[in-house]
Amino acid sequence: GEDVEQSLFLSVREGDSSVINCTYTDSSSTYLYWYKQEPGAGLQLLTYIFSNMDMKQDQRLTVLLNKKDKHLSLRIADTQTGDSAIYFCAESISGGYNKLIFGAGTRLAVHP
Amino acid sequence: SQTIHQWPATLVQPVGSPLSLECTVEGTSNPNLYWYRQAAGRGLQLLFYSVGIGQISSEVPQNLSASRPQDRQFILSSKKLLLSDSGFYLCAWGRGVTEAFFGQGTRLTVV
Repeated sequence: GEDVEQSLFLSVREGDSSVINCTYTDSSSTYLYWYKQEPGAGLQLLTYIFSNMDMKQDQRLTVLLNKKDKHLSLRIADTQTGDSAIYFCAESISGGYNKLIFGAGTRLAVHP
Repeated sequence: SQTIHQWPATLVQPVGSPLSLECTVEGTSNPNLYWYRQAAGRGLQLLFYSVGIGQISSEVPQNLSASRPQDRQFILSSKKLLLSDSGFYLCAWGRGVTEAFFGQGTRLTVV
């Protein structure tokens, strides 16, 4: 079946790195995504990685994909208070349309 | 550039009342359109998707329905709301197997 799991909460100190982890079950996923949701707002796409890639870096964000273990991680370098939000991992299940399966979200709290 | 509009932002409705949430997309044609629901403390659940006008597919059995009367308009409806329909509803659009872009969401509280 289709399932995406994430830890629910992460607390880090400002300036440290944050690592948010995610596992998924569908080996046929084509893309994997990280979305950010700030309080009361919709979801903002942060980055995505194609399933044949191992790593993608975009400024402070690094995505690592271990396809064998079906494990995805998002590393945020030099975490700032503005990074406090809920981060959702999602996998796409292709089939003529883009069906996204989301995890429950990881709430990142950044403290001074 | 493409934009997606969703309204209203918040809504409080009594049990048994009807519902209509609207979503429109600008700057693109023939997008895939989606309705998601986010229950408190949970991930997003795909409710409906549409690949074209009048084409609606439902992912889960529920009290809600969706319609796509125009290429870039997606409507979520209910004839009689239940308490369990409360949640955060998100409309999204996408193309093929690339990323989906979300609206700002509607927080629905059924009382």
